[in-house]
Amino acid sequence: SQQGEEDPQALSIQEGENATMNCSYKTSINNLQWYRQNSGRGLVHLILIRSNEREKHSGRLRVTLDTSKKSSSLLITASRAADTASYFCATDRQGGSEKLVFGKGMKLTVNP
Amino acid sequence: NAGVTQTPKFQVLKTGQSMTLQCAQDMNHNSMYWYRQDPGMGLRLIYYSASEGTTDKGEVPNGYNVSRLNKREFSLRLESAAPSQTSVYFCASSERQSQYFGPGTRLTVT
Repeated sequence: SQQGEEDPQALSIQEGENATMNCSYKTSINNLQWYRQNSGRGLVHLILIRSNEREKHSGRLRVTLDTSKKSSSLLITASRAADTASYFCATDRQGGSEKLVFGKGMKLTVNP
Repeated sequence: NAGVTQTPKFQVLKTGQSMTLQCAQDMNHNSMYWYRQDPGMGLRLIYYSASEGTTDKGEVPNGYNVSRLNKREFSLRLESAAPSQTSVYFCASSERQSQYFGPGTRLTVT
């Protein structure tokens, strides 16, 4: 059962542009995370935002969380060709274990 | 510090054969996970282990067994492989919330 759903499913932009990805989820959460997956590799954790936080920054990444709308967005600023990857949001369940539920992912292509 | 390692990287099985996928982590994490990733399906949790000696079913456990013999290692066994188990399998570990993934095993069942 997918908890998170990324939107759009695919995005193609030019190097230097900003990329915004959205994630919607269904149940109450403790935190939401974003992961990146380069082709043929495992997932890499990017950033975690807690349910009591509204915005978080890490380098060129900016994540927002709106718990009233059950949605999050990931903004990558000044994109680079190396940002080309699939991006996944993942949520836990409030009061639950460390288990995460991943969305289906979205493919970002940054053209040089 | 190798992080999470998985063996083998690739495997081809015939229907009905068995095999064990190995996973080890050197980060002293308590929790470990097995996922499968299929096109258009994202990652789905097969089994989860909160600590040594404990395991719990995930979303898609049928056809799989797991073993957590010590804190480092968490293995996934396919007793009688089926074509529907063709997938990429990822092992992960975590302490607190963030998960660390291995490089994956690409399994084809013919």
